[in-house]
Order: sequence, then C-alpha cells, then structure tokens
Amino acid sequence: DTEVTQTPKHLVMGMTNKKSLKCEQHMGHRAMYWYKQKAKKPPELMFVYSYEKLSINESVPSRFSPECPNSSLLNLHLHALQPEDSALYLCASSQGKTGQETQYFGPGTRLLVL
Amino acid sequence: QKEVEQDPGPLSVPEGAIVSLNCTYSNSAFQYFMWYRQYSRKGPELLMYTYSSGNKEDGRFTAQVDKSSKYISLFIRDSQPSDSATYLCAMSRPQGAQKLVFGQGTRLTINP
Repeated sequence: DTEVTQTPKHLVMGMTNKKSLKCEQHMGHRAMYWYKQKAKKPPELMFVYSYEKLSINESVPSRFSPECPNSSLLNLHLHALQPEDSALYLCASSQGKTGQETQYFGPGTRLLVL
Repeated sequence: QKEVEQDPGPLSVPEGAIVSLNCTYSNSAFQYFMWYRQYSRKGPELLMYTYSSGNKEDGRFTAQVDKSSKYISLFIRDSQPSDSATYLCAMSRPQGAQKLVFGQGTRLTINP
C-alpha cells in the first residue's frame, strides 16, 4: 500500500481565517513533505520533516506553520493567507533512508483564499 | 538555465501510438530519476524510479537513463486515452535526496 491521504479535499478560507490541512501515511515512512503546486507548474517544496523533526524549510512565509505530531501525521496550519496562496497543497512521504527517498504523493488539498 | 528541462508540450497522439517523453539535465550530481503521472486536479503518481543508466521496463512503460548525455526518457507503448495526463520528470542527488528537482511537465493527450 503506497497511500498518502489528505483532508480536506477542498478548502475555501478568508484572509483572516485559521485553518489546518492534514496528511496521514501508514507505510512506515519517516520523511514527510509539504508541497505547493500552482496550475501548469511542477510542485514546489515547502517543508520536509525527517524522523518528526523539521529538516528543510524552503523560506516559506510564517503564515504557513507545519507540525508533525507523530511519524504518521503531518499538519499544515494556515493563518492570514493571501489570495496568491491559492493552490493545490500536496503532502508526500518517503522512507527517510539515504538512497531510498522515492516520494509518494497524496491527492492534495485544493485551497482557495478569498 | 534550468537544472532540468522538459518540453511542456502539449503533445497529442492517436491511440495505440508509442509516446516518447524526455528530460535533459545539467547537473551530473543527479543520480536518482523518477517519472510521475499527474491527472488533472490530482496528486502526482509515481510511475518509474531508476538510479542507473540503461532501461527499466514496467508493463507498457519503459524508463531510459543516459547519464553520459544527461538525458532521460519515458516511453509509453500502445498508448490509451487513460494515459492522457501531465508527465513530470524528477531527479535528485545522493546528498540532499529529499529535494526533488522537477521538470516543467509535459501535457499528453491520447486521442481515441
């Protein structure tokens, strides 16, 4: 089973709202990722957690706040977003072992910021 | 110059044709190569993963890597309308393998 699940599938929020995106995997992977994808563009890496510790932050604005409660779960907390943050937000996971970083993606959360 | 170049297409072929999708790269440090398929409004799905030069086959799909030319390809045989999607190549270095570098993606349409 190579399934990564994400909730919600769609989210509409105002610029003053606080919301969270959730991601879960049960493959025993120890690395989890958040990506942002705009239309007709490839995914852009935002954050990487390795063994529940933040290992990569691609200079993402602080209005995006990641959290990794345990090895199976990954959250992305959203606050005071801008309309340009509207995009498909993808979660991915990989084994977390050197040379075994094949990433498996979830279906994404389509976010619209009004 | 981008690290990974991929023709964005769009590419339109008749059903049953052989499709060739390609990416070139400039950094010889890339050692791991992947192809993802992404349907509209869905997440990318891993199709092929290779780490050595040569061919790797999985059903109707063949991934080819030529490290000397810094060139990778994905071939789809007996293409089906269900293969219509955007195909993304991705690659990474042994050090920093968690940072995938993607091509721009090629939009492929298979016409019945």
